[in-house]
Amino acid sequence: GNSVTQMEGPVTLSEEAFLTINCTYTATGYPSLFWYVQYPGEGLQLLLKATKADDKGSNKGFEATYRKETTSFHLEKGSVQVSDSAVYFCGMTTDSWGKLQFGAGTQVVVTP
Amino acid sequence: DGGITQSPKYLFRKEGQNVTLSCEQNLNHDAMYWYRQDPGQGLRLIYYSQIVNDFQKGDIAEGYSVSREKKESFPLTVTSAQKNPTAFYLCASSTRQGARDIQYFGAGTRLSVL
Repeated sequence: GNSVTQMEGPVTLSEEAFLTINCTYTATGYPSLFWYVQYPGEGLQLLLKATKADDKGSNKGFEATYRKETTSFHLEKGSVQVSDSAVYFCGMTTDSWGKLQFGAGTQVVVTP
Repeated sequence: DGGITQSPKYLFRKEGQNVTLSCEQNLNHDAMYWYRQDPGQGLRLIYYSQIVNDFQKGDIAEGYSVSREKKESFPLTVTSAQKNPTAFYLCASSTRQGARDIQYFGAGTRLSVL
């Protein structure tokens, strides 16, 4: 069946370090892929998305490229800040109406 | 400002009690969703509704019920049949444009059992 797998956390980094969070998916057809971010005590916010192969989503310094050949959508940021500390969720839609399937989430902790 | 409002922020349930979580949106979205979030497990879909007066079960609907009498409202009732209700509940909505749709989330309700 369809599924999303992302790397386990917590990921602890120093400020200005490079961040990568791996996300791979299993799906029939051509899914749309999303990264959402959840700050402490809040709901989820869309960070970026990609709807077809080789699309690159980007926002707030974060980037992710839809790689069909490796079924991946890894999230990257070149220089993290303390304010990037949050839980990041990789998500996928495959149904025509947009049902989201999420990975388990990866907690990122950035220290000064 | 447009958005999704969930209330209350914190809720406590006694044994055998039904409780209702509120979700209201003023984004004029057709579709609404309820998710349950448990630590380390990501989000799981409870119920969803694509249009007023219609809703479908998600992956973990047992012990929950919903209604969709108005476009802007999608309340979730956690019934006494839900034996492990302690979790963070998130409501979302979208324009129902299909697989490229973006879901917008409320701030959540944290439910605990007394």
